[in-house]
Amino acid sequence: GAVVSQHPSRVICKSGTSVKIECRSLDFQATTMFWYRQFPKKSLMLMATSNEGSKATYEQGVEKDKFLINHASLTLSTLTVTSAHPEDSSFYICSARIAGGSYEQYFGPGTRLTVT
Amino acid sequence: QKEVEQNSGPLSVPEGAIASLNCTYSDRGSQSFFWYRQYSGKSPELIMFIYSNGDKEDGRFTAQLNKASQYVSLLIRDSQPSDSATYLCAYVVGNTPLVFGKGTRLSVIA
Repeated sequence: GAVVSQHPSRVICKSGTSVKIECRSLDFQATTMFWYRQFPKKSLMLMATSNEGSKATYEQGVEKDKFLINHASLTLSTLTVTSAHPEDSSFYICSARIAGGSYEQYFGPGTRLTVT
Repeated sequence: QKEVEQNSGPLSVPEGAIASLNCTYSDRGSQSFFWYRQYSGKSPELIMFIYSNGDKEDGRFTAQLNKASQYVSLLIRDSQPSDSATYLCAYVVGNTPLVFGKGTRLSVIA
């Protein structure tokens, strides 16, 4: 299967600081990438859909000024959590969709964010 | 309304048995169907996808799709304790976000 990487895998930051998470498709081009968050023992929650070269589409209730998404190339999308607060602590997972075909979508390994 | 129904489980099967996971969906426009496996604390891993009616086999896994009945299933043959995880069913309509079920917890008992 296709490989998606995420960096960092784990980050601890202080309240009020910003954190950037990178998502890369390593062996395929991804015109569309997705960002999810997941709380312990809960379902995946879609935050936003990101298309290369255009603005991200955010799900209802997700603050676009707080969660900045940039999809600068066909293999890279970034999520920046700005002015992080303890309630932003979660597991953030990106996913990349192979261009064309059957809409196969692969997930990165996730980033565990802890805000102190 | 886009919905995917899955039995939340837990589904317990003995080691070596066949585990059968089922999913029904509401959108007749659904084009492709996916089964993901998610271990606790990890991200989902794509294990099968199917878009044509019938069966698709890959190793110990078989996905079955019946579009007329809006039903998709995953069979795991010779279940192993390492198969114990949450299995997520999902579908897609065009280049839109996946619609996920809530997942079925599978427990394979040694």
